[in-house]
Amino acid sequence: QKEVEQDPGPLSVPEGAIVSLNCTYSNSAFQYFMWYRQYSRKGPELLMYTYSSGNKEDGRFTAQVDKSSKYISLFIRDSQPSDSATYLCATISNTGNQFYFGTGTSLTVIP
Amino acid sequence: DAGVIQSPRHEVTEMGQEVTLRCKPISGHNSLFWYRQTMMRGLELLIYFNNNVPIDDSGMPEDRFSAKMPNASFSTLKIQPSEPRDSAVYFCASQQKNIQYFGAGTRLSVL
Repeated sequence: QKEVEQDPGPLSVPEGAIVSLNCTYSNSAFQYFMWYRQYSRKGPELLMYTYSSGNKEDGRFTAQVDKSSKYISLFIRDSQPSDSATYLCATISNTGNQFYFGTGTSLTVIP
Repeated sequence: DAGVIQSPRHEVTEMGQEVTLRCKPISGHNSLFWYRQTMMRGLELLIYFNNNVPIDDSGMPEDRFSAKMPNASFSTLKIQPSEPRDSAVYFCASQQKNIQYFGAGTRLSVL
């Protein structure tokens, strides 16, 4: 079993829609969770960073962690064409030396 | 800071040739990671360094791959001899605390 599993999509939504991106992870000891956004032909860039359970909001983006079900989510409100990208979830080992990335979900927001 | 700098951005070579990819991490970051990204397998960790010392190279696919970090501001990933199946995007990332910062990647095509 991979440390992080992510539905690859692709996902296509109309502009203004609410988008939900999801991942599951295998190790209940993981504490730090991240969402990276990767535009075409670019490197991944950090979008959201959360610690332990709960929600974190940043503008139109909300990251949610449910440790009881080992489930992490990213919600995008009022999606825009500029949100079209691949979104990768990630977590990190407790030693801080090993990152585990999901395979990424490709999102297209249609104007 | 200019971020993580990788060169070249694109590399096209013929099977059997030696390929050298370069990376300059963000100043002050003590950890450096090399990844390979393909559509099929997503981001795969090849090797990472901590304070210029290779810590885990278990992701290096075979002996044709080698990586060095002679000082805190420079790392190379070498493939010799290259094969068509090595075609991918190679990313370098440096880490501070629990966040990884990626370069723009090197798109390698081996014909």
